[in-house]
Amino acid sequence: KQEVTQIPAALSVPEGENLVLNCSFTDSAIYNLQWFRQDPGKGLTSLLLIQSSQREQTSGRLNASLDKSSGRSTLYIAASQPGDSATYLCAVHTGNQFYFGTGTSLTVIP
Amino acid sequence: GAGVSQTPSNKVTEKGKYVELRCDPISGHTALYWYRQSLGQGPEFLIYFQGTGAADDSGLPNDRFFAVRPEGSVSTLKIQRTERGDSAVYLCASSSSGPVYGYTFGSGTRLTVV
Repeated sequence: KQEVTQIPAALSVPEGENLVLNCSFTDSAIYNLQWFRQDPGKGLTSLLLIQSSQREQTSGRLNASLDKSSGRSTLYIAASQPGDSATYLCAVHTGNQFYFGTGTSLTVIP
Repeated sequence: GAGVSQTPSNKVTEKGKYVELRCDPISGHTALYWYRQSLGQGPEFLIYFQGTGAADDSGLPNDRFFAVRPEGSVSTLKIQRTERGDSAVYLCASSSSGPVYGYTFGSGTRLTVV
């Protein structure tokens, strides 16, 4: 069974810092990997989708990388803002479902 | 519709009662998924529909849980004889057919069993 781990579980940074969130998975036979954002009491908002054949995807201040062979992905957030405060979830598509990590709770301090 | 719609947004029910949770996917999306998220955890897979049929229901925890999608669009998750441990946020997602597409999630239904 696919297992997804996210490190760190929580992160607090001052506004303006660049930061990296990490995701690792145990089974490299994946279709794709998706990063989501979740605000308290809300659903999931898709940030970036990386296909298994791709190495990275970029959207604005966000950049996600994928190293399928080593079972790792990173989400890089540049010039963090207080509005980036949320939980970030990594999900790996294997078989018929996405397997989720438990997320990284990010707080950006003004 | 423009997004995945879930109703109700909140549901409080008494232990032992029956509940139905509804999901209206993005128009044209043939794949529909139900997930359950407990506090502080990532979402866990319940069931996957491709069209009208349940292609994978391996995540349903027991036979109190059942889901249908009779016309290949709206889906209903049904929980019989609810227990306090069923309290969670139930998330629905839809996707275009094929594994290369990502998911679009709804805002979820927060179920509280008292």
